[in-house]
Amino acid sequence: DAGVTQSPTHLIKTRGQQVTLRCSPKSGHDTVSWYQQALGQGPQFIFQYYEEEERQRGNFPDRFSGHQFPNYSSELNVNALLLGDSALYLCASTRQSYNEQFFGPGTRLTVL
Amino acid sequence: AQKVTQAQTEISVVEKEDVTLDCVYETRDTTYYLFWYKQPPSGELVFLIRRNSFDEQNEISGRYSWNFQKSTSSFNFTITASQVVDSAVYFCALSERGGQNFVFGPGTRLSVLP
Repeated sequence: DAGVTQSPTHLIKTRGQQVTLRCSPKSGHDTVSWYQQALGQGPQFIFQYYEEEERQRGNFPDRFSGHQFPNYSSELNVNALLLGDSALYLCASTRQSYNEQFFGPGTRLTVL
Repeated sequence: AQKVTQAQTEISVVEKEDVTLDCVYETRDTTYYLFWYKQPPSGELVFLIRRNSFDEQNEISGRYSWNFQKSTSSFNFTITASQVVDSAVYFCALSERGGQNFVFGPGTRLSVLP
């Protein structure tokens, strides 16, 4: 049973570019959340998707957007990258009505 | 608003020592969940425990134990007889009813020295 998978593992971009990160949830999970973890800090909630809709959003600008597909996989898009967007981006999945989130290994994004 | 505080930024202990990681939370909900996650150098968050707000029973799992006290809004984590493999960053997290938003504390970096 595969856990949460994310791609790519690492990514280097320059300021102003756009990036797309991908996440496949754990088998049987239908809800995907995205988190940003800056170096030395705890993960910060970006948004959560359920039934292909954004269900809740944290305090992140509109440059951060997402999508969930019918197979429950999800994408995180970040436009107009800033140096401060450099971080580990974590995806977590859960089953609706359950509370325990399973995390993927993350995508480390570096913006130069 | 919900908030999680982990006052200990870094802790160093020698192998076989016991160590307690502190977690204090704030929430206005009466129904909520508390979690501990471990983040080893590889970066992946590993789930350790979930506790709901109606269950104040302490829990022990091998060398790990958790002390939940609603009266002080604390959910502390103790590792008994620490081992080098316990070295990691440990995060306490809070999720309110519905589980739509996890709030993480800033983490405590634990170093267990041989």
